[in-house]
Amino acid sequence: GDSVTQMEGPVTLSEEAFLTINCTYTATGYPSLFWYVQYPGEGLQLLLKATKADDKGSNKGFEATYRKETTSFHLEKGSVQVSDSAVYFCALRGNNRLAFGKGNQVVVIP
Amino acid sequence: KAGVTQTPRYLIKTRGQQVTLSCSPISGHRSVSWYQQTPGQGLQFLFEYFSETQRNKGNFPGRFSGRQFSNSRSEMNVSTLELGDSALYLCASSWGQDTGELFFGEGSRLTVL
Repeated sequence: GDSVTQMEGPVTLSEEAFLTINCTYTATGYPSLFWYVQYPGEGLQLLLKATKADDKGSNKGFEATYRKETTSFHLEKGSVQVSDSAVYFCALRGNNRLAFGKGNQVVVIP
Repeated sequence: KAGVTQTPRYLIKTRGQQVTLSCSPISGHRSVSWYQQTPGQGLQFLFEYFSETQRNKGNFPGRFSGRQFSNSRSEMNVSTLELGDSALYLCASSWGQDTGELFFGEGSRLTVL
């Protein structure tokens, strides 16, 4: 079935550092891809999306490009802030449901 | 406009009891999905409803059930609670079917003792 794999473990980095969170997927067909973010004590919020190959989703300084050849949708931000500390989930919408990766906790230190 | 509202926000039950969780979607949204979130398993899909019909169901035992009403509000029920059912239960709504653009509530945190 459809699945999403995110890199293992939390990510700790300093303010203004470059952030990358890896995401790869397995799916039949051509799924839409998403990044969601969960701030402490809150539900998930859609951060960005891409619906077809080579699409780049972007929002709040975050970017991710839908790479069909490598089945990837890595999240990047050039200069993180303390307020970016949260859990980030990669997700795909295949034929019948939204499947999530396990999430990565990002901690940004001042 | 108001977001997705889940009630109750926190609850404590004992093994063997049952629980009902409620979700009010964003006005105009007709699709409601439920997810279970735990530290070990992450986000696990429970069910999806659209216009009162269950469209999809995840790999959970029959103790987990749900329904959607004509006003799009949804409830999920867990019977014969087990310790492993302790989790954050998240409801999400969307305007239509087959979309990954979900709007999540803050969740109902269930603790089973």
